[in-house]
Amino acid sequence: EIVMTQSPATLSVSPGERATLSCRASQSIFNLAWYQQRPGQAPRLLIYDASTRATGIPARFSGSGSGTEFTLTISSLQSEDFAVYYCQQYNNWPLTFGQGTKVEIK
Amino acid sequence: EVQLLESGGDLVQPGGSLRLSCAASGFTVSNYGMSWVRQAPGKGLEWVSTISGGGYTYYADSVKGRFTISRDNSKNTLYLQMNNLRAEDTAVYYCARRVAAVGGHFDYWGQGTLVTVSS
Repeated sequence: EIVMTQSPATLSVSPGERATLSCRASQSIFNLAWYQQRPGQAPRLLIYDASTRATGIPARFSGSGSGTEFTLTISSLQSEDFAVYYCQQYNNWPLTFGQGTKVEIK
Repeated sequence: EVQLLESGGDLVQPGGSLRLSCAASGFTVSNYGMSWVRQAPGKGLEWVSTISGGGYTYYADSVKGRFTISRDNSKNTLYLQMNNLRAEDTAVYYCARRVAAVGGHFDYWGQGTLVTVSS
């Protein structure tokens, strides 16, 4: 099983600031997605194939990385961006998610 | 417009059974991989099961032998039959579409249905 480890667990950021979230895979992967989950809502796809923004996702969200190290960057945090973010690998079975990073208002 | 609507969540006793449904609209379920993902209260996301476009099924070790994923093409609906339920199966269960018949990320999610296993 590929273990996905996200850091930090919680990130405190002021509106307008940049947020950088990390995701590490226990072995090299090609296929990684990022999802956003707001309180009481279902997850929403942000990024797939490590760096491709999903339809309708604002340009302030960007994904990068390869192999075992991946990053989600939110360039200028808006109020609606305070949420929990999950990375997920779809390279191998079983499909696995990171434990999540909560982005909270500083 | 793609929509996924889950139903069937309930309070059930340990050892009991439940069947979840996910009614899809705006696309044909048999053309895509379809999955169930769950989220225990206050916890992260956990993949449960997938049925590929070709009908192959995959399960997390935690549910193998107890849960069965299936679909009814005539009703364009995905199912999850859950037997021998345990307290640790308590979660919101989401139906999610994979972007392709085989492989890919989850591009659409339903709103979820709550399963509570308790005596």
